[in-house]
Amino acid sequence: DIQMTQSPSSLSASVGDRVTITCRASQSISSYLNWYQQKPGKAPNLLIYAASNLQSGVPSRFSGSGSGTDFTLTISSLQPEDFATYYCQQSYSIRTFGGGTKVEIK
Amino acid sequence: QVQLQESGPGLVKPSGTLSLTCAVSGGSISSSNWWSWIRQTPGKGLEWIGEIYHGGNTNYNSSLKSRVTMSVDMSKNQFSLKLSSVTAADTAVYYCASLRGLTAMDPNWFDPWGQGTLVTVSS
Repeated sequence: DIQMTQSPSSLSASVGDRVTITCRASQSISSYLNWYQQKPGKAPNLLIYAASNLQSGVPSRFSGSGSGTDFTLTISSLQPEDFATYYCQQSYSIRTFGGGTKVEIK
Repeated sequence: QVQLQESGPGLVKPSGTLSLTCAVSGGSISSSNWWSWIRQTPGKGLEWIGEIYHGGNTNYNSSLKSRVTMSVDMSKNQFSLKLSSVTAADTAVYYCASLRGLTAMDPNWFDPWGQGTLVTVSS
């Protein structure tokens, strides 16, 4: 199975900060990489699909980049509603998720 | 807009069978989507269980394949999960989700998800 490794596992940031989360695949997955946001007690919500495509309705402060094995989710200016846990997920070979990155208030 | 809602027992006895149903509203289950089950535990995080197409094609996680059965009921616009021989390790929040892609033959991302249902395995 393809392993997905996210870093960091948690981070503290302030409103207005630029935040970057990385996801590394154990082998090349082309652009078969998606990002989700999950808030406590809720289901994950799709943010970015196919590495860099913004899901409809998602604020433009979210962006994704990368291909092959290394991917990045960037929040350009962190807002109060962005404090949550973020997951990457690959679909190149079956489906696996990263371990998550919890974004907390500094 | 498609919405998904899981239902089923919240408590299952060890060695029993976990059975869940996902009702699809706002769209047809016979559309060009695959339909998936995913579970989440504090220890293992998010784990894909498997997926089914309305025609009956399935893909299962190899680690669960011997215990998983998925099915579609087009008359009720819903799909189901059965997981047999459960243990405490199967205690999790179970989500159903639509698996979509740029084409039906290349499903890729999960959207939307149901709200999730907690299933506890305990005697």
